[in-house]
Amino acid sequence: GAGVSQSPSNKVTEKGKDVELRCDPISGHTALYWYRQSLGQGLEFLIYFQGNSAPDKSGLPSDRFSAERTGGSVSTLTIQRTQQEDSAVYLCASSRRGGRSADTQYFGPGTRLTVL
Amino acid sequence: AQSVTQPDIHITVSEGASLELRCNYSYGATPYLFWYVQSPGQGLQLLLKYFSGDTLVQGIKGFEAEFKRSQSSFNLRKPSVHWSDAAEYFCAVGKAAGNKLTFGGGTRVLVKP
Repeated sequence: GAGVSQSPSNKVTEKGKDVELRCDPISGHTALYWYRQSLGQGLEFLIYFQGNSAPDKSGLPSDRFSAERTGGSVSTLTIQRTQQEDSAVYLCASSRRGGRSADTQYFGPGTRLTVL
Repeated sequence: AQSVTQPDIHITVSEGASLELRCNYSYGATPYLFWYVQSPGQGLQLLLKYFSGDTLVQGIKGFEAEFKRSQSSFNLRKPSVHWSDAAEYFCAVGKAAGNKLTFGGGTRVLVKP
């Protein structure tokens, strides 16, 4: 079956612009995660959605970052007023369930964001 | 707070030789432990995971890992490395609630012919 897909695969933007990154999870997966992979910080958790529950936003680095998940499926990560330090690969993952299940997280290929 | 340490940033190994990647974690309860592999330009692929039970876990591609609670370690091993194993390997720990993962810094493996 299809895996997690992300778009665009690459995004180059100018400092101060807003960007939107999209994630399509595996069909039927109720949990969705965003992570960021950068040279300086490694792999960091950003935000987690589980069903209709309020998202866990504890990893978002600033209020310029937000995410939503529509209809329990597709998710969009938005970065407002991008800064050069936002340059990274943004990874999305989904799992069949979240919570206590500790189901396997399946990762997408990522979106490479470059802020000039 | 949970944390994961991978002491080796780079490891070079000859094809056919054995490989061991170290992972140490800090976590206040029974951890959920994972090893992922990332090949160049690709996403993360799960190699194996440990939740409970047998402390020796078998994974894909001939990898195995052993959970040692007394040493807070979850080291990854492979008896005979193939050139295709050249990649970056990440150890991660997850919480039961939410299962958001905390990753180590990764170990890049180079395979010599």
